[in-house]
Amino acid sequence: NAGVTQTPKFRILKIGQSMTLQCAQDMNHNYMYWYRQDPGMGLKLIYYSVGAGITDKGEVPNGYNVSRSTTEDFPLRLELAAPSQTSVYFCASRTQGALNTEAFFGQGTRLTVV
Amino acid sequence: DAKTTQPPSMDCAEGRAANLPCNHSTISGNEYVYWYRQIHSQGPQYIIHGLKNNETNEMASLIITEDRKSSTLILPHATLRDTAVYYCIVRVGGGGSNYKLTFGKGTLLTVNP
Repeated sequence: NAGVTQTPKFRILKIGQSMTLQCAQDMNHNYMYWYRQDPGMGLKLIYYSVGAGITDKGEVPNGYNVSRSTTEDFPLRLELAAPSQTSVYFCASRTQGALNTEAFFGQGTRLTVV
Repeated sequence: DAKTTQPPSMDCAEGRAANLPCNHSTISGNEYVYWYRQIHSQGPQYIIHGLKNNETNEMASLIITEDRKSSTLILPHATLRDTAVYYCIVRVGGGGSNYKLTFGKGTLLTVNP
């Protein structure tokens, strides 16, 4: 089990460029989440998905898009990168089965927009 | 989800017990208390959760007061590797949108040699 895998680990983007942050999990989890963490702050939820084909907005969705075509993958798309999107991005997943289960997080993607 | 209050930082000597408090005075009857930690720049890691009974696992113990308005995470023998930010989170059980884990700033625990 690799758990939750995020790629790339680091990326520098120029303003206006686009990119996709990849997230994959091999635990057959239904729920997947994208968070961003600014320096010295807590994590803020961007988007989440409760299963393939179903996504919904979190607290800070503006400037991002997601898709969930398979259970395993939950990519996060930045269309027009802005300096305000400089942050560390974490993907997480969780099983649906039990009422209260833990979330598993990836190691993060550190994005700088210049 | 109920709001939580944690001290911004704490120190602990290596080998001693670390007791991290969390205040959640507005907690509802169906809300669970979760603890996660984040070691420098890594993804958060689940530690433990509970509803009203005290819980223990291989990592830590969770003590929840009888009125459920506060809790304490106990690391029985802290090591240098336990230096991290510890997040106390309160949320309703279930999945989907109920799983909006809201992370505050947490407590930075520094374990000193």
